[in-house]
Amino acid sequence: QPVLTQSSSASASLGSSVKLTCSLSSGHSGYSIAWHQQQPGKAPRSLMKVELSGSYNKGSGVPDRFSGSSSGADRYLTISNLQSEDEADYYCETWNRTSRVFGGGTKLTVL
Amino acid sequence: EVQLVESGGGLVQPEGSLRLSCAASGFTFNNYVMSWVRQAPGRGLEWVSVVSGGSESTYYADSLKGRFSISRDNSKSTLYLQMNSLRVDDTAIYYCARVADDYHSSWGQGTMVTVSS
Repeated sequence: QPVLTQSSSASASLGSSVKLTCSLSSGHSGYSIAWHQQQPGKAPRSLMKVELSGSYNKGSGVPDRFSGSSSGADRYLTISNLQSEDEADYYCETWNRTSRVFGGGTKLTVL
Repeated sequence: EVQLVESGGGLVQPEGSLRLSCAASGFTFNNYVMSWVRQAPGRGLEWVSVVSGGSESTYYADSLKGRFSISRDNSKSTLYLQMNSLRVDDTAIYYCARVADDYHSSWGQGTMVTVSS
């Protein structure tokens, strides 16, 4: 079963951009993933699905500032023009026919 | 608008049982795979279980070792999670989620389960 690796923390300044990484384990580099945002004290919110090709499909209402991309076994979430409300935990998720797995999450701090 | 509302959480003693419910609205319930995901205090998301639209297939996280059972009643648009032999480390917020385009695309607000003596 795949394993997803995320950095535990990241920080960037208000109005800047940040790129978060989710790395798929060996042998699973072709998997699609999804990104979820969890603001403090709230339930998770799905953001998008990112394919191996780099194409991504955002959920309803997700701002244009959020985009996805891919390179090899790495899947990325880029947030442009960072806002204070973007300060949150970000989780990636992947799946196979019988199971699903989440990465450990990245805590994003907006400076 | 998709709405998922969990209920049934609370305080339970170790080795006790609890049944969680998730009432769904805003979409054709039986057309979607549904899932439970939990989050222990201060920890990350952990997938628990998933069930197909017609209940033909159910899958569980290996760590649960047969203690949990997922089910659904499509006539009531409701998802369930029966939890038995509860342990202290089952303490978590339990989220119900709809699976669309392969991933958890909509989430409920969660229900808190506390296992303590």
